[in-house]
Amino acid sequence: GESVGLHLPTLSVQEGDNSIINCAYSNSASDYFIWYKQESGKGPQFIIDIRSNMDKRQGQRVTVLLNKTVKHLSLQIAATQPGDSAVYFCAENTEYGNKLVFGAGTILRVKS
Amino acid sequence: KAGVTQTPRYLIKTRGQQVTLSCSPISGHRSVSWYQQTPGQGLQFLFEYFSETQRNKGNFPGRFSGRQFSNSRSEMNVSTLELGDSALYLCASSPGMIQVNNSPLHFGNGTRLTVT
Repeated sequence: GESVGLHLPTLSVQEGDNSIINCAYSNSASDYFIWYKQESGKGPQFIIDIRSNMDKRQGQRVTVLLNKTVKHLSLQIAATQPGDSAVYFCAENTEYGNKLVFGAGTILRVKS
Repeated sequence: KAGVTQTPRYLIKTRGQQVTLSCSPISGHRSVSWYQQTPGQGLQFLFEYFSETQRNKGNFPGRFSGRQFSNSRSEMNVSTLELGDSALYLCASSPGMIQVNNSPLHFGNGTRLTVT
C-alpha cells in the first residue's frame, strides 16, 4: 500500500495551549493538501486545505503551513480544546482525479 | 443536507465468503471513492468512480471491485475474503474533481468488516 501507518505519534497538550501537528509528504508533484480529523468510530472530517501556490492558510482556530522546499506540512490549532482530541491525518492529491495519499496520522490528546 | 451514508455499519464474515458494502453519497455528488483503513497500513485508496465509470484504482488485488449506479450510489465487493481484509472501509464523495470544484472529499463513518 501507499499509506505508511505502522506507528502513530502522539501529541499531548494542555487545554488552552496551541498544538502543532507535522506531516512530511511524499510527492514533490503534489499540488493540493488536506488535513482531516478522525474521532473514534467516525470517518475522517475535513478541517482545512491548501494549494501548492500558497504557503499559509487560516481557518477558524486552525492554520496550515506548507513548505514545498522540504515537503513539509503543519497544522496549528489555537487554544486547543478537549473536543480537539482525535487522530489527525494529512493527505496529498497527486493526480488528475480525487485519489488522496494519506499520511500515517498523529494522535492528539488534550489534557484538562 | 445528509452526509455520506454507508451500510451496513458492522459486518462479520467467514474466510472465503464474499461481501458487498453500500455507499450513498451526498446529494449532487457524482464522485465516489473507497478507502481501506487498518491499524497496520493506515488509509489506503481502493478506487474512485465518477458517472458510473471507474476513474482510478489503487494497488489492491482483483478480489476488490466496485461499481456506481446512475443515481451515484456505489457498492464495493470483496470476494474470497481473507483474514487480512478485516478493516474499516470508508466511502467518500465529492461533486466532481476536488481541485476543480474546490470541494474536498467528504467521508462517511465507514463499514467495519471483520473476517473470521
